Amino acid sequence: DAGVIQSPRHEVTEMGQEVTLRCKPISGHDYLFWYRQTMMRGLELLIYFNNNVPIDDSGMPEDRFSAKMPNASFSTLKIQPSEPRDSAVYFCASSTGGYSNQPQHFGDGTRLSIL
Amino acid sequence: QKEVEQDPGPLSVPEGAIVSLNCTYSNSAFQYFMWYRQYSRKGPELLMYTYSSGNKEDGRFTAQVDKSSKYISLFIRDSQPSDSATYLCAMSRNSGGSNYKLTFGKGTLLTVNP
Repeated sequence: DAGVIQSPRHEVTEMGQEVTLRCKPISGHDYLFWYRQTMMRGLELLIYFNNNVPIDDSGMPEDRFSAKMPNASFSTLKIQPSEPRDSAVYFCASSTGGYSNQPQHFGDGTRLSIL
Repeated sequence: QKEVEQDPGPLSVPEGAIVSLNCTYSNSAFQYFMWYRQYSRKGPELLMYTYSSGNKEDGRFTAQVDKSSKYISLFIRDSQPSDSATYLCAMSRNSGGSNYKLTFGKGTLLTVNP
């Protein structure tokens, strides 16, 4: 079975550029999560969706960050304009059922470097 | 004070050793506790899930929760080189619904030497 698929795996871009990260969740999963992982702050939840609707975006750091889920099989996280402090590994995860005992299945992440 | 504290290590042990990994938390609203394992350059994967205080065992892994002390542990028996990874504790307030959010510790890097 295909897991959560993220693209690109690596992104290097210059400060001020727009960055778009993509995620394809596991088919049939109705929850989708975007996380950011850094050495300083660990793994932090940015936003999550249920049935394509954003439920909680309180973790989105600034208005420069936006996320969309136009359909059940695709989501994007956009940063515009990007800044060096946005450099991190961004993970997408999906799950079913909306309960804590349902594992969140993570993709392998996008390693983002902003120069 | 951060909601979840976890010693980042690194922790290095010989093959066959018993490993103890720990997290403390400050918010008594946390009710559900998990351990995720993350291999290098991979996403985390769920290893153990517990709800109540006490122990839960799964093969070589035992998860322990002490809500009175706000302290959770993961024990690995007969550790193997394949256990080398970062272990993240995670916890949530409610089982689901609008409060379905996980708060993670920063993770402990474990190396098991053959």
